[in-house]
This record gives sequence, structure tokens and C-alpha cells, in this order.
Amino acid sequence: QKEVEQNSGPLSVPEGAIASLNCTYSDRGSQSFFWYRQYSGKSPELIMSIYSNGDKEDGRFTAQLNKASQYVSLLIRDSQPSDSATYLCAVKDNNFNKFYFGSGTKLNVKP
Amino acid sequence: GAVVSQHPSWVICKSGTSVKIECRSLDFQATTMFWYRQFPKQSLMLMATSNEGSKATYEQGVEKDKFLINHASLTLSTLTVTSAHPEDSSFYICSAPRALSNQPQHFGDGTRLSIL
Repeated sequence: QKEVEQNSGPLSVPEGAIASLNCTYSDRGSQSFFWYRQYSGKSPELIMSIYSNGDKEDGRFTAQLNKASQYVSLLIRDSQPSDSATYLCAVKDNNFNKFYFGSGTKLNVKP
Repeated sequence: GAVVSQHPSWVICKSGTSVKIECRSLDFQATTMFWYRQFPKQSLMLMATSNEGSKATYEQGVEKDKFLINHASLTLSTLTVTSAHPEDSSFYICSAPRALSNQPQHFGDGTRLSIL
């Protein structure tokens, strides 16, 4: 059983701080990694994709991947109250076109 | 803009009714689509994988006779909740990945189903 683990939180940070969200996965052969944001009552929306070791930046978001440690993280700089949501880590098995989701980390950004 | 369209967004109906939910990929062909269910404050639960031109693959514990999936074309998958009961009330979400192997899933907006 391929697993994706996330701390369920809630993670509380003050407005303007950096929020750090972490995810570990069990399948060493995984090649594609995604972060989704899900607001309460809404469906998930894709915010970042990462495929190679290292950092990938997009605006206030930075995804970090370390395949040797089987670890992927998401940093949110200058956190805003509108960033308050549940963040889902997803890992894709490219060979079988199958996705594995973590249970999500709830982020609260306090004004 | 949206790449996956899901309809309807909200359904309220009486117990015993069958409800059909549609999921369409808007600008790409999707040989595979996924159906999820999410109860309040819980994580996504994959129900089944919809495969164009063949039978859906259901996750363990999901009743295939209860949740009928049809993937009749490369852009449309439907989920029918047959003889729905109050315990079937939930948020149902479909998703589809683009064809390239490393592409993410794109989610529809979800259907909130309430069975009275």
C-alpha cells in the first residue's frame, strides 16, 4: 500500500509569517508530486507541481522535493488569512496513472 | 479557467431517488477519470476509477451496484447513485488527469448531495 503522510494540524501562523507544510511518501519510485489547496466546502485546486529534486517557486509559494528522503514540502511566504485552507499533498504513480493523497494539513493564518 | 466541469453542483432529493452526476473534461480527452467522496471535515476518499470504454475499477468497500459509473466518451464520465439514502449524503468530486504521464489531476467543482 503506497502511503502519503501529512500532519493533520491545524497549523496556526500569524499573518505575514512563513507557513511550512510537510509531506512524506512511501513509494521511492514516485516521480510526480503536487500540492492542492482545498477551502471548506469546495473542491481541491492545484497550486504547485514538482518533479525534480530541489526548489520550485511560484509567487509566494515554494515547493521543495527531496527524493532521497522521500519528502516534499510547501512553503507559503507572507501568509495571508485567505491562505487559510486545507493543503493536500498528492503523489502520482506515473506507470499506473494513479494518485495517492495525504489526508491534508489544515492551515490557519491569523490576522 | 476550469478544465473539468461537474454538474449539478447541488442536489436535494427524497430517499429512494437515483441521482446522476456528470463530469466533463473541457479541453482535453480523458481516458481516465476519478470519483471521490468527502464527508464533512474528512479527507478525500477515492471511490472508483472510471475508464473510457471499459468497466470502472472500484475501491474496496464501495458498492458497484450502488454507485454506477459510465465512461462512454473521452470527455464524459457519469456517476449514478442508485436508490439514494440519507447516508449517501456527501460531497462528490470528480477529477481527470491530462494524458501525459506526469500531469496532475484537475478537479471538478463537486456535487453536494443531500438525501432527505
